[in-house]
Amino acid sequence: GQSLEQPSEVTAVEGAIVQINCTYQTSGFYGLSWYQQHDGGAPTFLSYNALDGLEETGRFSSFLSRSDSYGYLLLQELQMKDSASYFCAVRDLKWAGNTGKLIFGQGTTLQVKP
Amino acid sequence: NAGVTQTPKFQVLKTGQSMTLQCAQDMNHEYMSWYRQDPGMGLRLIHYSVGAGITDQGEVPNGYNVSRSTTEDFPLRLLSAAPSQTSVYFCASTARTGVRDTQYFGPGTRLTVL
Repeated sequence: GQSLEQPSEVTAVEGAIVQINCTYQTSGFYGLSWYQQHDGGAPTFLSYNALDGLEETGRFSSFLSRSDSYGYLLLQELQMKDSASYFCAVRDLKWAGNTGKLIFGQGTTLQVKP
Repeated sequence: NAGVTQTPKFQVLKTGQSMTLQCAQDMNHEYMSWYRQDPGMGLRLIHYSVGAGITDQGEVPNGYNVSRSTTEDFPLRLLSAAPSQTSVYFCASTARTGVRDTQYFGPGTRLTVL
């Protein structure tokens, strides 16, 4: 089957660096995505990795190792507004072509403390 | 562009009632999906569609129907509401560029079934 594993909660202090891990098991793989969701809001897209290595977008970076079926989201210079839930997601390949559904992890709640 | 719109934002139903949650997107995306999110939980896929006239079941399809007569609209119908369907429902539209997926979520519908 298809599954993604993330830690349920992470706590860090303002200004620190935090890493949120995601391991996945899928029948096919088309890249790992990350989404952010503030309490009461809708998820919003953060980043995408199709190839091994690090992708950087401002204070956020995302890493992928396809051989290890593993990725992480790195948040630097944490701010109070980064307190949110973070979800990793992969596309499950149902059949060849541009189809298949997106599968989300259970999400990691990040609490940033002063 | 309005992006992804959902109506209503809030709804209270009695057990056994039926209703339709509306979802529309103006980005000409082929792929759309419906998720439910329960407190402290991740996103669970209910149904999805890869284009007009094509729908498929996700992880938790029981009690819900969908149809996709146009590219823009993807309504979700609750056949006979049950308290277990109390949840926040998100509609999403996906931009697919090659193997990269970027999902755009609507603001959500908060449903309570009494």
